[in-house]
Amino acid sequence: GAGVSQSPSNKVTEKGKDVELRCDPISGHTALYWYRQSLGQGLEFLIYFQGNSAPDKSGLPSDRFSAERTGGSVSTLTIQRTQQEDSAVYLCASSLFTHSYEQYFGPGTRLTVT
Amino acid sequence: KNQVEQSPQSLIILEGKNCTLQCNYTVSPFSNLRWYKQDTGRGPVSLTIMTFSENTKSNGRYTATLDADTKQSSLHITASQLSDSASYICVVPGDNQGGKLIFGQGTELSVKP
Repeated sequence: GAGVSQSPSNKVTEKGKDVELRCDPISGHTALYWYRQSLGQGLEFLIYFQGNSAPDKSGLPSDRFSAERTGGSVSTLTIQRTQQEDSAVYLCASSLFTHSYEQYFGPGTRLTVT
Repeated sequence: KNQVEQSPQSLIILEGKNCTLQCNYTVSPFSNLRWYKQDTGRGPVSLTIMTFSENTKSNGRYTATLDADTKQSSLHITASQLSDSASYICVVPGDNQGGKLIFGQGTELSVKP
């Protein structure tokens, strides 16, 4: 595809429900990243993948958050038992490799937990 | 603690004027520094990536400088346009692999006619 795509673009869910957010990176990009941007806050690193492995999961806020990437392409971020403080825009990015390579961001998924 | 701090938090300028945004970082070890532009409701878009050996890098009307000794960077915007209104974010990798990025809070720039 032409760029990083994310789905859904908007998600409203009730507190306590599970949600899955999807990211389709740019074809051929080996690295994939998840970030969170809360209202009025800067971007917060959650997790990144090099291929299918995640070398650093330290950014995940709690054990309710998990992410996986299969086939070195699509990634899913899952939030279990959502809480109101999970409301944010979740951004995905991909790059050819990590290190100094430019990251290309998707449009984000706006999650609202009511 | 690895941190990236930006100033000012917000800035209003008139169309056609120049402005400079500042970024200080305490990330170590340092590999590169990035400036991103984020329009409202959109994902960030890369403006420049600078390694420790680069002092200046330009991208059109955007010029970034880097002083790795003082751990400071600036983004200078020349002849501002209304479309420059956005949040400008300074970013530094927080790990050796360059995957875990540390973001500044951003400078919210508003260009007025």
